[in-house]
Amino acid sequence: DAGVIQSTRHEVTEMGQEVTLRCKPISGHDYLFWYRQTMMRGLELLIYFNNNVPIDDSGMPEDRFSAKMPNASFSTLKIQPSEPRDSAVYFCASSHGLAGKSDTQYFGPGTRLTVL
Amino acid sequence: QKEVEQNSGPLSVPEGAIASLNCTYSDRGSQSFFWYRQYSGKSPELIMSIYSNGDKEDGRFTAQLNKASQYVSLLIRDSQPSDSATYLCAVMTGGSYIPTFGRGTSLIVHP
Repeated sequence: DAGVIQSTRHEVTEMGQEVTLRCKPISGHDYLFWYRQTMMRGLELLIYFNNNVPIDDSGMPEDRFSAKMPNASFSTLKIQPSEPRDSAVYFCASSHGLAGKSDTQYFGPGTRLTVL
Repeated sequence: QKEVEQNSGPLSVPEGAIASLNCTYSDRGSQSFFWYRQYSGKSPELIMSIYSNGDKEDGRFTAQLNKASQYVSLLIRDSQPSDSATYLCAVMTGGSYIPTFGRGTSLIVHP
């Protein structure tokens, strides 16, 4: 298996621009998670999906952030408009979501976002 | 609010020594426990999971769980410089598939 795919490793944009991050989960995984990691705040869960349906978006910092999962193999996290404080590494992760060994999360390589 | 606490470190140990990393959690309903290793600039990588009280060994790694005291630890025997990384503890409550992560402990293994 190819693992969780985040094809864009570095994204640089200017303040006020829209930025879209993309993720392909591991095939067969029912859960997809978006995380943000910064030195100051550590790893924060932004939103997660179960079977393509958003379940909890309480971690999304503001209305500028939105996420979609149109099908089982693709998800996007959009920031519009972007601000310098959004600069962070954004990880996508997926899991089977079953009790026991299958509840392990597997992380993608992350996208380092820099907002100038 | 569910909390997972780790000493941020850095924990510095000499090569060949045992590194001991600790994690405490607040939710008594927690049932799944994970240790992730994260190298600088890389994504978290699962190295151990443990679900019942006691020890679980995998190569040089041993995870220890004590639910009564609400702590989980990771021991790394014969530490190598390649073990230098940040170790994240993650805890999951039964019925939830959403882990709560600690801030991580930085481990430095010096030659």
